[in-house]
Amino acid sequence: AQSVAQPEDQVNVAEGNPLTVKCTYSVSGNPYLFWYVQYPNRGLQFLLKYITGDNLVKGSYGFEAEFNKSQTSFHLKKPSALVSDSALYFCAVSPGSSASKIIFGSGTRLSIRP
Amino acid sequence: DAGVIQSPRHEVTEMGQEVTLRCKPISGHNSLFWYRQTMMRGLELLIYFNNNVPIDDSGMPEDRFSAKMPNASFSTLKIQPSEPRDSAVYFCASTSPGLAGADTQYFGPGTRLTVL
Repeated sequence: AQSVAQPEDQVNVAEGNPLTVKCTYSVSGNPYLFWYVQYPNRGLQFLLKYITGDNLVKGSYGFEAEFNKSQTSFHLKKPSALVSDSALYFCAVSPGSSASKIIFGSGTRLSIRP
Repeated sequence: DAGVIQSPRHEVTEMGQEVTLRCKPISGHNSLFWYRQTMMRGLELLIYFNNNVPIDDSGMPEDRFSAKMPNASFSTLKIQPSEPRDSAVYFCASTSPGLAGADTQYFGPGTRLTVL
């Protein structure tokens, strides 16, 4: 069965420092991987996704993620954090079959302190 | 584009009452998803439709929950009778036709349901 794990409930980073939000997955075959962000009282917003090709994927708001097949990971990164990046981040995986649904992780709350 | 539209944005009701949540997907999108989000259980997929047909309803918690999609531009999620443990934020999302499983989901703003 496919699954996705976000091992950290919360990540705290100082503004201007690099940030990493971790995600690992378990799926048979070649996965499609996603990151979404949720701001308070809002729905989830798409950040980026990996389908195939270059393992480094660039997305919105300066975020990027690296697909690592050997470690089954898809960590979200940003070189320099902003206070406005504070939000709830979700990693998600799809098995890449004809199915349309994706499985979301439990979410990681990112807090950027000034 | 108006994005995914959900109504109402907030709903407060009493236990035992029927609740109907509504969703209008983005025009041209052919898949629609209903999710529930709580602090305890996180984000759960309840049901999803492809071309107005329910494909997977394994996430629907009980027979009290039902969902319909009578046409490509409208879906409802109904809870009857409602219970306090149904209190949550319910999200609707839609995707456009494309590479199955790789489609970006676009979420609505959610309906915050409180059952007293």
